[in-house]
Amino acid sequence: AQTVTQSQPEMSVQEAETVTLSCTYDTSESDYYLFWYKQPPSRQMILVIRQEAYKQQNATENRFSVNFQKAAKSFSLKISDSQLGDAAMYFCALQGGSEKLVFGKGTKLTVNP
Amino acid sequence: GAVVSQHPSRVICKSGTSVKIECRSLDFQATTMFWYRQFPKKSLMLMATSNEGSKATYEQGVEKDKFLINHASLTLSTLTVTSAHPEDSSFYICSAHGLAGAGEETQYFGPGTRLLVL
Repeated sequence: AQTVTQSQPEMSVQEAETVTLSCTYDTSESDYYLFWYKQPPSRQMILVIRQEAYKQQNATENRFSVNFQKAAKSFSLKISDSQLGDAAMYFCALQGGSEKLVFGKGTKLTVNP
Repeated sequence: GAVVSQHPSRVICKSGTSVKIECRSLDFQATTMFWYRQFPKKSLMLMATSNEGSKATYEQGVEKDKFLINHASLTLSTLTVTSAHPEDSSFYICSAHGLAGAGEETQYFGPGTRLLVL
């Protein structure tokens, strides 16, 4: 079975500062993908960043980057220069060969002005 | 712009009636679509995997006779909540797996449908 664990139900950060959201996972598959999704109050799921497990290089998308530690099965998200619009629920997700996504419970991020 | 649409965005119905929710992939074909349910302040719970031209695969604990899924074409999947009851009130989200535009092959999510059963 595949599992995704987000141990931080809530996090807060000051505007312009950096915050890191944690995610650990478990899978027996050798080929898989990891994702971070953002869900703002509108509840539209927005893909933030994606990482292929076979790639050692950490994925980056502008102010968003990940720290992918394959051996430790860890996949944290770093948000730099936090903006008010970054406030949302963030979900870590794992996709194996079946195309199904397994989601963590989410972390609610608050950005303080 | 949006690559997956859902209709309606919100619906209120009386207990005992059936409600149909449509999920469409825009400008790309999706052989696989997924239906999720999300309770307030909770994560997404996968209900079923919808494959074009075949029966849907339901997750454990999801009543297939209550949540009817039809994937009639490569761009349309429907979820029908039959004989709806207040406990079926929830936020339903669909996603479509495919390649949209110049992006990567991945799951694209619809905006969701809020169902309230009175």
